[in-house]
Amino acid sequence: DAMVIQNPRYQVTQFGKPVTLSCSQTLNHNVMYWYQQKSSQAPKLLFHYYDKDFNNEADTPDNFQSRRPNTSFCFLDIRSPGLGDAAMYLCATSTSKTGGVSPLHFGNGTRLTVT
Amino acid sequence: RKEVEQDPGPFNVPEGATVAFNCTYSNSASQSFFWYRQDCRKEPKLLMSVYSSGNEDGRFTAQLNRASQYISLLIRDSKLSDSATYLCVVKGYGGSQGNLIFGKGTKLSVKP
Repeated sequence: DAMVIQNPRYQVTQFGKPVTLSCSQTLNHNVMYWYQQKSSQAPKLLFHYYDKDFNNEADTPDNFQSRRPNTSFCFLDIRSPGLGDAAMYLCATSTSKTGGVSPLHFGNGTRLTVT
Repeated sequence: RKEVEQDPGPFNVPEGATVAFNCTYSNSASQSFFWYRQDCRKEPKLLMSVYSSGNEDGRFTAQLNRASQYISLLIRDSKLSDSATYLCVVKGYGGSQGNLIFGKGTKLSVKP
């Protein structure tokens, strides 16, 4: 089945130690997103790729970076994780269409713990 | 006014009950609307898109009211398995694919 896969499901890192989360998709969608979701809050968009074009949200900290080496893969790099970065990180994909957007397809998320 | 607002609940209903959630949005030019379901500590999953004419999928009915700027979700004959948080998602105006705005979600708890 076509899907969005995130690895790892659970990630524990130390304060200040760089960490990379990965996302792959077999849907061949041209748009990929990274969201951060904290407990009882809505998912918060960090950035998205429209094809190769990177779009950063204005309030995304510089501590968060992303790479999309090809259509199928996208990475989230947290350069110096702080305790406040502990959250669920969700990767999602969609296809662009005129006048709107297709529904988002989410990966199963990576739950990040910072010790 | 927040861009997308939902009653956080929780809505506690007995099995078999009918329950309705509303979601209001502030941008009258919003283009696409969705309801997602999210189970505890899991990823959101698409429940249904919301079309202008309203649409139904089994026990679930979604409506869009552009004049009053809200969408609704009706669940009939609630099941225990419907217990989850229901997220409203609105695509804002403009070409940016990133302009998807999530509500905080409405928590539903269906009791035996």
